[in-house]
This record gives sequence, structure tokens and C-alpha cells, in this order.
Amino acid sequence: EAQVTQNPRYLITVTGKKLTVTCSQNMNHEYMSWYRQDPGLGLRQIYYSMNVEVTDKGDVPEGYKVSRKEKRNFPLILESPSPNQTSLYFCASSPGRTGGYEQYFGPGTRLTVT
Amino acid sequence: DAKTTQPTSMDCAEGRAANLPCNHSTISGNEYVYWYRQIHSQGPQYIIHGLKNNETNEMASLIITEDRKSSTLILPHATLRDTAVYYCIVYTISGGYQKVTFGTGTKLQVIP
Repeated sequence: EAQVTQNPRYLITVTGKKLTVTCSQNMNHEYMSWYRQDPGLGLRQIYYSMNVEVTDKGDVPEGYKVSRKEKRNFPLILESPSPNQTSLYFCASSPGRTGGYEQYFGPGTRLTVT
Repeated sequence: DAKTTQPTSMDCAEGRAANLPCNHSTISGNEYVYWYRQIHSQGPQYIIHGLKNNETNEMASLIITEDRKSSTLILPHATLRDTAVYYCIVYTISGGYQKVTFGTGTKLQVIP
């Protein structure tokens, strides 16, 4: 089944403890993105990647890191999480220049930082 | 980057057509209009997209004005399962990079 998977789905952590949220897609998509969603603010793009080893900042990149070492994986890294990063996070992928730009979203990761 | 404006909320009677408007007055010539919806806190779902011409698929129709400054998503026969937040977004593709700006969307409530 074609899908985007995220792990973990739920995470409660403490301030300053490094964490990684994994994202994987099995559709051979070029583009991948990370978003956060907060009440009243809609979805905001954190980082995106157009292909392996190519990433760029979205609208709210502060406090986050990403890497794209393989086409299928795009992990989101919080080096020193803070309470203002408590949010619902979505990973998405899209085919890219040859296949279109519609995005396929993962199920979301609900992160709480205390 | 082109931004979009949508009404905060709308109601629609079950079985009726739901017409969701979107304003994107600063859209550039090579930018597409995409529509997604999000049911509860699930991952958003792609619905349809277009550039200039009207588009139709099994889920919905998209009507884009001739000046491309606004569009309307039409769900021809709304059902209770169409209750969701609908996002109209414009894709900015600059040098091959894909920067995407979502707004806060329209919360559509389908009423029995």
C-alpha cells in the first residue's frame, strides 16, 4: 500500500532531551516536507526537501533540523526541544517535477514537551 | 509568495452542493491552486488542483476565474463524511524548490 508513515505517533518528552521523529514514504517521491499544526494557525511548513541531500527552510525552521540521506526517509530532529514545540506534526511527500505536486500526508505525530 | 483567503466556516445541507470560495489575488502565472481537506486531526487529503481551466475528478470540481484571482471548490452532493476543514493553497515553485503556505482553511459542517 502506498503510504507515508511516521513514528512515533505520540510522544511526551522533557525540555532539552533530543528527539527524532521519523518519516518514510514508499512511493519513490522526490519531494518531502514537514509541517506543524497548532490551534488557530493552520499548517506551517518547517522544512522541505526536493531530493536526496537537498533541503531548505520553510516558514518556521527555528529549533528543527532535517536530513535526507535516502530518498524514502526524511527525519525531523529536535536537538533541544522546548515547550513551544508542543504541536501536531505532519510529514508529506509528493512525486515532484515529473509526477506532480499533490502532497500525500502521514498520519501525524503528536508531540508534548514539558 | 501568493497567499489565500478563505471564509472561516460554512454550513451545507446534506445532499446539496457545497461551494467553497478562495481568494488568491496575488497568484503568479505559473502557480497552481491546490485544494486539500483535513478530517479531525488526520493528515490532510489531496482533493484537486488546477492552473487556468476548470477541473473535475471523482471527488470535486474546481472553478477558477478567468483572471485567476479566485476559485471555488464544489462538492456536488455533500455528505456527512465531507465535514472537514478545507484548505486552498497556492504552490510556489522557485528554482525547483517547493515552498508551501497553508492558511487556516474553511471549516465545512454538513448538516443532516
